[in-house]
Amino acid sequence: AQSVTQLGSHVSVSEGALVLLRCNYSSSVPPYLFWYVQYPNQGLQLLLKYTSAATLVKGINGFEAEFKKSETSFHLTKPSAHMSDAAEYFCAVSRGNQFYFGTGTSLTVIP
Amino acid sequence: ETGVTQTPRHLVMGMTNKKSLKCEQHLGHNAMYWYKQSAKKPLELMFVYNFKEQTENNSVPSRFSPECPNSSHLFLHLHTLQPEDSALYLCASSQIREYNSPLHFGNGTRLTVT
Repeated sequence: AQSVTQLGSHVSVSEGALVLLRCNYSSSVPPYLFWYVQYPNQGLQLLLKYTSAATLVKGINGFEAEFKKSETSFHLTKPSAHMSDAAEYFCAVSRGNQFYFGTGTSLTVIP
Repeated sequence: ETGVTQTPRHLVMGMTNKKSLKCEQHLGHNAMYWYKQSAKKPLELMFVYNFKEQTENNSVPSRFSPECPNSSHLFLHLHTLQPEDSALYLCASSQIREYNSPLHFGNGTRLTVT
């Protein structure tokens, strides 16, 4: 069975500080992994996806994620937080046309 | 027009009303999905259609009735809803059997049942 665990339902960082949002997956086969962002009153927007071509994946808005098979993790990072990064972030894993989402992490950016 | 479009954006309905949510995708995808997003709860998959055929129905009450007339359009017909059905309903599409194809979401319909 596939599942995704996001540690920390709320994360607060100061503007300009490092953003680290954690995601661990359970999968018996190499997974397809994704990060999505959701701004208020909007749908989910794809930030990045793991393609297996490289363990470090770059996405939009300066975000990147590193796939670590030994830790079954796919944490999302951004070197310097911006006020516009405040949103809900979801990690997801897919197998075929089944997608499994984490419970989300709400990111607050403090000026 | 590109992407996934959902209408209406907001809907308020009484428990005895009948209404429909509409979703249209302009991405040429062959799979479409309905998700329910409630406050403080994970995303709930409701229905999946592959090539217009329903392949998933995750124990959704019969007061929700999906319809997929073609691979670009998806509807969710609502009748005799309950207040706990108030939520954000998200439509998504993807290209199944394509390596690592992600879901593409619409902006959702915010449903309030009074």
